[in-house]
Amino acid sequence: EIVLTQSPGTLSLSPGERATLSCRVSQRLSSSYLAWYQQKPGQAPRLLMYAASTRAPGIPDRFSGSGSGTDFTLTISRLEPEDFAVYYCQQYGTSQTFGQGTKVEIK
Amino acid sequence: QVQVVQSGAEVKKPGASVKVSCKGSGYTFTDYYVHWVRQAPGQGLEWMGWVNPKKGNTNYAQKFQGRVTMTRDTSITTAYMELSRLTSDDTAVYYCARDVGTVVGSGWFDPWGQGTLVTVSS
Repeated sequence: EIVLTQSPGTLSLSPGERATLSCRVSQRLSSSYLAWYQQKPGQAPRLLMYAASTRAPGIPDRFSGSGSGTDFTLTISRLEPEDFAVYYCQQYGTSQTFGQGTKVEIK
Repeated sequence: QVQVVQSGAEVKKPGASVKVSCKGSGYTFTDYYVHWVRQAPGQGLEWMGWVNPKKGNTNYAQKFQGRVTMTRDTSITTAYMELSRLTSDDTAVYYCARDVGTVVGSGWFDPWGQGTLVTVSS
């Protein structure tokens, strides 16, 4: 099974700051089969990014994704109050697995 | 608009089964696989498997083999997930989600259902 390791576990930042979230994959992903989701308390996950760097419809351009192979990054250029949430990466190249999540909290 | 809407919360006793439904609307139901993902309280996301609404074939995570059954009824554009022999470890929110990837059964999920809380307690 492919394992996804997200870091850090928690990111404490202020609105307006830049957030950098990491997702490391235990095996090389072909064709960057990686997605990112945002989840707020009591809500279902929401798709942010797929194919590592393609924003889903309606996602603001302050969100960007990058990476390939085994190392992927989600960047939020300037945090807005509504961006404080938990973020999950997902690989869909071989079956499906999720990372354990990174919580972005207000400092 | 495209949406998937799930059935309501359930409370079950250990050893029982639960069946959760997921109704798709706003799109051609048979064109997109449906996945099931669960989330235990305070925990992360765990993939359970998928059902192909067109043919009815399925693929389950090894952890749930023999205990989960995913089906669909195309006449009412609804997918189902049934989990048997429940224990307290199965207490979780269960989500369905539409697979919009380009490789069948192996894609990203959008949208997700609102979630169904299943509580297993004696």
